[in-house]
Amino acid sequence: QVQLTESGPGLVHPSETLSLTCTVSGFSLTGYSVYWVRQPSGKGLEWMGRMRYNGDTSYNSALKSRLSISRDTSKNQVFLKMNSLQTDDTGTYYCTRVPRGGYYFDYWGQGVMVTVSS
Amino acid sequence: IMLTQSPATLSVTPGESISLSCRASQSISTNLHWYQQKPNESPRVLIKYASQSISGIPSRFSGSGSGTDFTLNINRVEPEDFSVYYCQQSNSWPLTFGSGTKLEIK
Repeated sequence: QVQLTESGPGLVHPSETLSLTCTVSGFSLTGYSVYWVRQPSGKGLEWMGRMRYNGDTSYNSALKSRLSISRDTSKNQVFLKMNSLQTDDTGTYYCTRVPRGGYYFDYWGQGVMVTVSS
Repeated sequence: IMLTQSPATLSVTPGESISLSCRASQSISTNLHWYQQKPNESPRVLIKYASQSISGIPSRFSGSGSGTDFTLNINRVEPEDFSVYYCQQSNSWPLTFGSGTKLEIK
């Protein structure tokens, strides 16, 4: 079955770089796109960026200068790196799958909580 | 595109039928999707493209609307339905979400 699992550090210091990994199973990264969505603590949802099935990437302009998404198809992994973290980047980070031809999120990972604090 | 959800909180009794609203700042055709998020869980999609059902989602959930005004209907709310509901648009980039409606027990 389709699964997405996020992993990464729970604590990041201000101004440092966040590195997260999304490991997928049950589908191929060359067949489906993976999107990153975050949720600041107690708040709503924000689309961050995406790794398309063909290897292209695109980013939310609000985060573009700080964000990078890459992948390793041999390991079924998608990576997120975001630099210059601040306290308002604290929250839960999800990787999600988007169905072919669609732009809604049909499968979500369990999320990883990231706290930005000194 | 901004999505405005109302009300922010809705208090209801199980068994009531309700409607949640999502209004877009410009026309988005039917490129609007609804999600449910229970505490400490990931969101799950309920309705795609304004009114299309999702496999495995109970039939008491339905959606309607086009253009700028959309509605999520829950026919006879069940105890497990008390959670937060979000809408999301896919008409233009960046993809955006509404701020959510919390459905709570009266």
